[in-house]
Amino acid sequence: KQEVTQIPAALSVPEGENLVLNCSFTDSAIYNLQWFRQDPGKGLTSLLLIQSSQREQTSGRLNASLDKSSGRSTLYIAASQPGDSATYLCAVPPGAGSYQLTFGKGTKLSVIP
Amino acid sequence: DTEVTQTPKHLVMGMTNKKSLKCEQHMGHRAMYWYKQKAKKPPELMFVYSYEKLSINESVPSRFSPECPNSSLLNLHLHALQPEDSALYLCASSQYRGSNSPLHFGNGTRLTVT
Repeated sequence: KQEVTQIPAALSVPEGENLVLNCSFTDSAIYNLQWFRQDPGKGLTSLLLIQSSQREQTSGRLNASLDKSSGRSTLYIAASQPGDSATYLCAVPPGAGSYQLTFGKGTKLSVIP
Repeated sequence: DTEVTQTPKHLVMGMTNKKSLKCEQHMGHRAMYWYKQKAKKPPELMFVYSYEKLSINESVPSRFSPECPNSSLLNLHLHALQPEDSALYLCASSQYRGSNSPLHFGNGTRLTVT
């Protein structure tokens, strides 16, 4: 059974810092990995989806990497801003043609002005 | 703004009430999902619709009844709920019911059962 772990559970950084969020998964046979952002009481916003054949995906100040062999993904946020404060979740589908995402428990990020 | 719209945003209901949650998307997606999220937990899958047909029911109690009237709409009918059913209910859609289709979530309905 696929398990997804996100460390740390919470992170507090001063504004302007670059930071890295970590996601690890136990079964490397994944088709893709998706990073989401969730603001308190809101739904999930898709940030980046990396296909298994890709190593990186970039969107603005965000860069996500994927290393299937080691079962790890990182989300790099450059020049953090208070508006980046949210919970960040990673999720993987467990198998071929599967619909069901397995989520990590998330990292709660606080960017201090 | 999300492209998946959920109504209402908040709902308070008694254990004997019947209510419905609604979800709408106009992205032409053919797969739609209901998720349940408790506080400080990741979302848990409840139902999956593919081409307006129910394809997955994750052993959800019958007091939750999904309905997909057309390709843009998804409802969740609620009846005789329990206080432990209080949670954030999220609707999502994807182009197809496949692992390569990214999910798009709505902002959810915050449900409180009294």
